[in-house]
Amino acid sequence: QKEVEQNSGPLSVPEGAIASLNCTYSDRGSQSFFWYRQYSGKSPELIMSIYSNGDKEDGRFTAQLNKASQYVSLLIRDSQPSDSATYLCAVNPGYSTLTFGKGTMLLVSP
Amino acid sequence: DTEVTQTPKHLVMGMTNKKSLKCEQHMGHRAMYWYKQKAKKPPELMFVYSYEKLSINESVPSRFSPECPNSSLLNLHLHALQPEDSALYLCASSQDHSTGRGGYTFGSGTRLTVV
Repeated sequence: QKEVEQNSGPLSVPEGAIASLNCTYSDRGSQSFFWYRQYSGKSPELIMSIYSNGDKEDGRFTAQLNKASQYVSLLIRDSQPSDSATYLCAVNPGYSTLTFGKGTMLLVSP
Repeated sequence: DTEVTQTPKHLVMGMTNKKSLKCEQHMGHRAMYWYKQKAKKPPELMFVYSYEKLSINESVPSRFSPECPNSSLLNLHLHALQPEDSALYLCASSQDHSTGRGGYTFGSGTRLTVV
């Protein structure tokens, strides 16, 4: 059974702080890793993808992958109230469809 | 603007109605998907259409019926739905189902209410 685990939150951070979102996965052969942002009532939006160990930065977002520990994280620097959303971690083993975690709700207070 | 277009955005239907959800992708992707999402839950895969082959999640009731007229269109036909089928229905597409690269691009969804 492929599993992707996330803390459901909510994770509360003040405006301007760093938000750290974490995800673990069970399928050691997984190849592709994604973070989606979903505002309430809206569809998921892909914000980061990562395929190899290490860090990948895009603006205020940094994705980190550690395949040995089966761990992927998303850091959001200078958090803004508009970042308040549910963040879904998704993992693709390369031979099947995406497996989603249950999502972490992030609340950024002004 | 999303490159995966879903219509309608909202749908209210009775339990005896027949309706269809439509999805079109303009990205040249070879795989398309239907997901169902209930409030505060992750998306749940219903159907995959990849390289002209349909894969079905066997837990999906037969009152949901997918149709793929061509590689850029994916419809979902609805018949005799139940109130518990009320949810956000999401269409997605990806470049390649087997490699997993590139992630999925989601449409804006159809908010379905069954009365």
